[in-house]
Amino acid sequence: EAGVTQFPSHSVIEKGQTVTLRCDPISGHDNLYWYRRVMGKEIKFLLHFVKESKQDESGMPNNRFLAERTGGTYSTLKVQPAELEDSGVYFCASSQVRPGTSGTGELFFGEGSRLTVL
Amino acid sequence: DAKTTQPPSMDCAEGRAANLPCNHSTISGNEYVYWYRQIHSQGPQYIIHGLKNNETNEMASLIITEDRKSSTLILPHATLRDTAVYYCIVRVEVIGAQKLVFGQGTRLTINP
Repeated sequence: EAGVTQFPSHSVIEKGQTVTLRCDPISGHDNLYWYRRVMGKEIKFLLHFVKESKQDESGMPNNRFLAERTGGTYSTLKVQPAELEDSGVYFCASSQVRPGTSGTGELFFGEGSRLTVL
Repeated sequence: DAKTTQPPSMDCAEGRAANLPCNHSTISGNEYVYWYRQIHSQGPQYIIHGLKNNETNEMASLIITEDRKSSTLILPHATLRDTAVYYCIVRVEVIGAQKLVFGQGTRLTINP
């Protein structure tokens, strides 16, 4: 079974440009999360989708960030325009709705997309 | 979600048991204790979780004190590949609302 996949693995852009990160969750997982870790800081929650609906977007830093999940499958996170402080690693995770159906209710994380804004 | 306190770093010899402590003195009755780890630059990986009973799986054991104010993650036979940052997280297990709040974690180094 394929895990959570993220693309690109690394993106280098200039300040003011736009970047779109993509996440493909594990098939059948209704929950999809975005997290990020900026240099030297903790991993921070950004938002949570349940299928195509935003359940919790309290962690989105500002309106330069836009997340979508069309059809409740893959998700994209767009940063427009990118700023220097947006550099970091963006993680996506997915899980099933009901804890216990997969044994743990755990979140499965992707390898992350590293964003470097110059 | 309750806050957790972990030592910033620990060392352990390869082959020995690694015992990682976590304090969660403000934990509520319906909050679970979860452990995740992040190996180098990979995505976080689930290890184990529990409510009040001790738990064991193929990766580790989780010992939760009777008052639930602290817990210990035990890696019984640590290997070099267990070098990682370990996160203790407490959260309410609510269906459809499984947000994790990461702290600083413990950087565990396994030495040969």
